[in-house]
Amino acid sequence: DSGVTQTPKHLITATGQRVTLRCSPRSGDLSVYWYQQSLDQGLQFLIQYYNGEERAKGNILERFSAQQFPDLHSELNLSSLELGDSALYFCASSVATSAGFHYGYTFGSGTRLTVV
Amino acid sequence: AQKVTQAQTEISVVEKEDVTLDCVYETRDTTYYLFWYKQPPSGELVFLIRRNSFDEQNEISGRYSWNFQKSTSSFNFTITASQVVDSAVYFCALSGLPGGSQGNLIFGKGTKLSVKP
Repeated sequence: DSGVTQTPKHLITATGQRVTLRCSPRSGDLSVYWYQQSLDQGLQFLIQYYNGEERAKGNILERFSAQQFPDLHSELNLSSLELGDSALYFCASSVATSAGFHYGYTFGSGTRLTVV
Repeated sequence: AQKVTQAQTEISVVEKEDVTLDCVYETRDTTYYLFWYKQPPSGELVFLIRRNSFDEQNEISGRYSWNFQKSTSSFNFTITASQVVDSAVYFCALSGLPGGSQGNLIFGKGTKLSVKP
């Protein structure tokens, strides 16, 4: 167990639907990152939150949104789903120190989304 | 812009062979971090190593070793005496300072390693 919890592990849904993926970061980690891994695009950074605030955006579609709550858990909302959204979605968390020292990222086991 | 290139898409070796996975990176940051992750068929991402831009010492951990060369912007990974359990996709990744706008990981496309008995 890495300490980062992602739910659900598997999700099958139909095109046009909306789903929510949940991530609980490792205890003490303030930053949460979402990544999408698809066969053709590899591991793509979607969005980063730090202590409740959006810090950086990557290749995130407008149909996708995310937020980080006061208890630091994060949710990734995917709407108007298309077949091409089928992928493995990872959440990662990290500690950011004032000195900038990097303790690394801890990844969850991912949510496998299948859109049919 | 930050970029990571893993030119080798797939590598196949026979057990006990040594294999080197190449990684070349691009960044304008003076402080950055390099990582290697392993993704076995089960799908999880397994952390292997983290290196900061100020530490160019090579590192060895058992059968794994890493060669960081700032002059060529490379961070190569060698597995000595490969084993079937080493079969996986290996990702090289780059990040800036955590918490900042460059704190996210930029991954290479990955190298699929197959080790045959």
